Amino acid sequence: ELKVEQNPLFLSMQEGKNYTIYCNYSTTSDRLYWYRQDPGKSLESLFVLLSNGAVKQEGRLMASLDTKARLSTLHITAAVHDLSATYFCAAGAEYGNKLVFGAGTILRVKS
Amino acid sequence: NAGVMQNPRHLVRRRGQEARLRCSPMKGHSHVYWYRQLPEEGLKFMVYLQKENIIDESGMPKERFSAEFPKEGPSILRIQQVVRGDSAAYFCASSPTGEETALNIQYFGAGTRLSVL
Repeated sequence: ELKVEQNPLFLSMQEGKNYTIYCNYSTTSDRLYWYRQDPGKSLESLFVLLSNGAVKQEGRLMASLDTKARLSTLHITAAVHDLSATYFCAAGAEYGNKLVFGAGTILRVKS
Repeated sequence: NAGVMQNPRHLVRRRGQEARLRCSPMKGHSHVYWYRQLPEEGLKFMVYLQKENIIDESGMPKERFSAEFPKEGPSILRIQQVVRGDSAAYFCASSPTGEETALNIQYFGAGTRLSVL
């Protein structure tokens, strides 16, 4: 059974600092997703990673995938307050279309 | 192009009542997924439907929960005889048909927050 673990679960950062969120998954998956959720809102798709070594960047966020280690990272560069949200990683199940989500990382960027 | 539409946004029910949650997928999408999010937890898959078919219901509780996606109209998640433990946010997602299906990018609605008193 596919399981997804994120850490840390809570992250308090100073503006301008860098940090990384880690996402481990337990069995084979051919696709890894990162989503952002603001309080009381829906999930916004950030990245889709499909192959080993894939790296995608959007603004201050960069996501990477290592399928051999079953690890994806979301790196935050020079954090700003607007990045405060909950970030989820999700892995696609080997069979079928369902996504298995991590518990989420609550990110708070302090001025 | 309107996104995934869910209604109601908030639903309050007393124990024993029925809850009906509606989801209209994005235009052109024929794959619908329901997820449940308990407070301070990640989303848990419940069911995957295509028009008039349930494809995967491995995450659905065995009793009281049902889902449908009729030929016409929105997808419905129905919870009968609700209990306090059903209080959660219920998210619907849809994905497109065609080649993009391989990427399986799921677009989420804003969710229905169910509170059971």
